[in-house]
Amino acid sequence: EVQLVESGGGLVKPGGSLRLSCAASGFTFSSYSMNWVRQAPGKGLEWVSSISSSSSYIHYADSVKGRFTISRDNAKNSLYLQMNSLRAEDTAVYYCAREDFDWSRTLNWFDPWGQGTLVTVSS
Amino acid sequence: SSELTQDPAVSVALGQTVRITCQGDSLRSYYASWYQQKPGQAPVLVIYGKNNRPSGIPDRFSGSSSGNTASLTITGAQAEDEADYYCNSRDSSGNHLGVFGGGTKLTVL
Repeated sequence: EVQLVESGGGLVKPGGSLRLSCAASGFTFSSYSMNWVRQAPGKGLEWVSSISSSSSYIHYADSVKGRFTISRDNAKNSLYLQMNSLRAEDTAVYYCAREDFDWSRTLNWFDPWGQGTLVTVSS
Repeated sequence: SSELTQDPAVSVALGQTVRITCQGDSLRSYYASWYQQKPGQAPVLVIYGKNNRPSGIPDRFSGSSSGNTASLTITGAQAEDEADYYCNSRDSSGNHLGVFGGGTKLTVL
């Protein structure tokens, strides 16, 4: 069964740091790009960051660029998100999602998603 | 603000057909994918590209695309289809950044 399980969420003070992890199983992790997507309470989905299968290509949303760092360890089938200088507006459920593409790279999709981990930034 | 625009809410009578749309300049270059999210649950992929359904998704879900608009159609909506629906694609900058629409809350009456 293809599965993604996030961990590492919790309560952190503004300006603090947190590292999220996503453990993958049931597929060849090293063959896929991976993404982080977040959802603030009562709000919509927001794409956060992506990393290619070999970590060659990394992208960030403007809202987190310079503060968050995405990484992966293919030997451990794991995806990470290091979050620094956290702000109240970073409070959200953070999902990891596997990304796939069509041959032309004009289509991408996220499947599956993990169950999410809640990050709360508050004093 | 999102570069993909969705109607915030749509309603449909049980068994009828409903179309949920997603508009954005990037959709002229990239296809959209669609996600269903029920309260307290993670999003689930329902349609990707022109009209591709993952295994396990009922065939009442279909997709289409024209110009700067992508659409998700549910033909014969069921009570269990009541959920939030989000479209996703690349942004229009060409920098391979992802973007989601603001979401559409579907109510099945």
